[in-house]
Amino acid sequence: GAVVSQHPSWVICKSGTSVKIECRSLDFQATTMFWYRQFPKQSLMLMATSNEGSKATYEQGVEKDKFLINHASLTLSTLTVTSAHPEDSSFYICSATELSEDFNQPQHFGDGTRLSIL
Amino acid sequence: QQQVKQSPQSLIVQKGGISIINCAYENTAFDYFPWYQQFPGKGPALLIAIRPDVSEKKEGRFTISFNKSAKQFSLHIMDSQPGDSATYFCAAQLTGFQKLVFGTGTRLLVSP
Repeated sequence: GAVVSQHPSWVICKSGTSVKIECRSLDFQATTMFWYRQFPKQSLMLMATSNEGSKATYEQGVEKDKFLINHASLTLSTLTVTSAHPEDSSFYICSATELSEDFNQPQHFGDGTRLSIL
Repeated sequence: QQQVKQSPQSLIVQKGGISIINCAYENTAFDYFPWYQQFPGKGPALLIAIRPDVSEKKEGRFTISFNKSAKQFSLHIMDSQPGDSATYFCAAQLTGFQKLVFGTGTRLLVSP
């Protein structure tokens, strides 16, 4: 159980285009989803926290106009990288926590999206 | 104070040996400590987690030891196998928040 699916797994696009990444919880309802960025051989850096039906909360230094997050349902959150440039190339990973009375629910991660901007 | 320090950065263990990865934290408000395993090109997968009211938790070959007074916790992988070769991240979660603070990661290589 607790499967998080991320799509696409790999995308290459030209500089200046926008790219949308989807994150779905397949077998559970997720009130909260998280978006991370990971550079090679580094740890995960939290970009934003996404709550269903409300605006995302961005971490300090993350441009909210650059990284648009939408959490329209309890099973789907999307991250759109707008006007992408080569420096946006990275591994983007989402995670989700189950709806529960227990606040310390584990985060379940998707398999990430490798984004390459040419 | 929000950091979680992880060591070693990399580790080589022979097959059948014990792999030990250590983490330390400063903020006593952390109350949930998971360990994640990540293979190249994949997302992290939850291995095992512990809360501060327990000093040890074991699941199969994986054991977390937790020292609340020292603000340290560690992952022990018994009978390490080549398939355990991956990057391991410790993490900590603050009371009342769902955000995780991740350690810097440990690249484990188990030699055949």
